[in-house]
Amino acid sequence: GDSVTQMEGPVTLSEEAFLTINCTYTATGYPSLFWYVQYPGEGLQLLLKATKADDKGSNKGFEATYRKETTSFHLEKGSVQVSDSAVYFCALALYGGATNKLIFGTGTLLAVQP
Amino acid sequence: GAGVSQSPSNKVTEKGKDVELRCDPISGHTALYWYRQSLGQGLEFLIYFQGNSAPDKSGLPSDRFSAERTGGSVSTLTIQRTQQEDSAVYLCASSEQGAGVTEAFFGQGTRLTVV
Repeated sequence: GDSVTQMEGPVTLSEEAFLTINCTYTATGYPSLFWYVQYPGEGLQLLLKATKADDKGSNKGFEATYRKETTSFHLEKGSVQVSDSAVYFCALALYGGATNKLIFGTGTLLAVQP
Repeated sequence: GAGVSQSPSNKVTEKGKDVELRCDPISGHTALYWYRQSLGQGLEFLIYFQGNSAPDKSGLPSDRFSAERTGGSVSTLTIQRTQQEDSAVYLCASSEQGAGVTEAFFGQGTRLTVV
């Protein structure tokens, strides 16, 4: 079935370090791909998305490129800040048919130290 | 309200009791989702509504779980005869068309503790 696998955390980085959180997916169709973020004490919110192969989603300095050949959607940021500390979820959604549900990975906790 | 609203925010119940969790989606959003987030786990899909119908209820873990949506708006998730393994945060999300097409907005969740 359709699924998302992302690297386990926690990931601990110093401020201004480079961030990569790996995400790979398995899907029978052509999914849209998402990164959601959950800041401490807040609800889940969309960070970025890409709807087709080779698309790059970007927001708040974060980027992810939809790679169909490697079925991946890795999240990157060149210089993390303490305020980026949160749990990051990779997700896919298949449009059409009986369902439009989001399928999530298990989440990766990022802790950025000053 | 401006966002997805869930109530109660916290619920402690005794094993064997029934509970009802409520979700008020963003006005005009036709798609509504329920997810469960357990400690150390990802978000587990429970059920998807399009309008008042549920074309995908494949994630409901047992027949103790049910959900309904009325008037294309408010949804209620009911758990009967609660068990300790039901303890989790239950999240509701809504989307204008469907999560594969338009952004899904999540509520803050209901933290359910079964003692």
